[in-house]
Amino acid sequence: NAGVTQTPKFRVLKTGQSMTLLCAQDMNHEYMYWYRQDPGMGLRLIHYSVGEGTTAKGEVPDGYNVSRLKKQNFLLGLESAAPSQTSVYFCASRLRVGETQYFGPGTRLLVL
Amino acid sequence: AQSVTQPDIHITVSEGASLELRCNYSYGATPYLFWYVQSPGQGLQLLLKYFSGDTLVQGIKGFEAEFKRSQSSFNLRKPSVHWSDAAEYFCAVATTSGTYKYIFGTGTRLKVLA
Repeated sequence: NAGVTQTPKFRVLKTGQSMTLLCAQDMNHEYMYWYRQDPGMGLRLIHYSVGEGTTAKGEVPDGYNVSRLKKQNFLLGLESAAPSQTSVYFCASRLRVGETQYFGPGTRLLVL
Repeated sequence: AQSVTQPDIHITVSEGASLELRCNYSYGATPYLFWYVQSPGQGLQLLLKYFSGDTLVQGIKGFEAEFKRSQSSFNLRKPSVHWSDAAEYFCAVATTSGTYKYIFGTGTRLKVLA
């Protein structure tokens, strides 16, 4: 039982490049989330999903897209990376409302 | 709108001293409440949570928190801090209806002096 895993752990992009971050969970959780963490700002919700095939916008969705084609995977895409997207990205999942949210180890992204 | 406030950005305590980290929330109903800890370069680990019932909850690593509805607070405490407790601590509120989102505070960074 690996929990929540994220790929890659670290990435450097040039402005305008695109990339996809992968989040995978093996706990059969319904809810999945993508956050970004910036100094002094805590965690801010980018997008989330309440089940396979569904996605919704969070607090800071601009510049990101997501997909949840399979229940266990939640992909975060950056179509045209900007330096403002330099951050640490965390994926999280939970089984249902009221249950504990489990976090992945994070992906550190640097956009030059 | 829902919000979580952690008024202390940094706290420094001596090893063996007691600790209290403050958390205040704004939510129309009684939310689900959480404290997470993040060590440098790591993800977030759940310390404890409050859903209902006894307002004093015990967590891992000797931490406890008390939910006070009248003050909209959920402060984290530890009677004797260890050097390994140095980390960043996040309070979070989970909405209990609608979009069922988590809202995080901005965190409190704890430094422990030997």
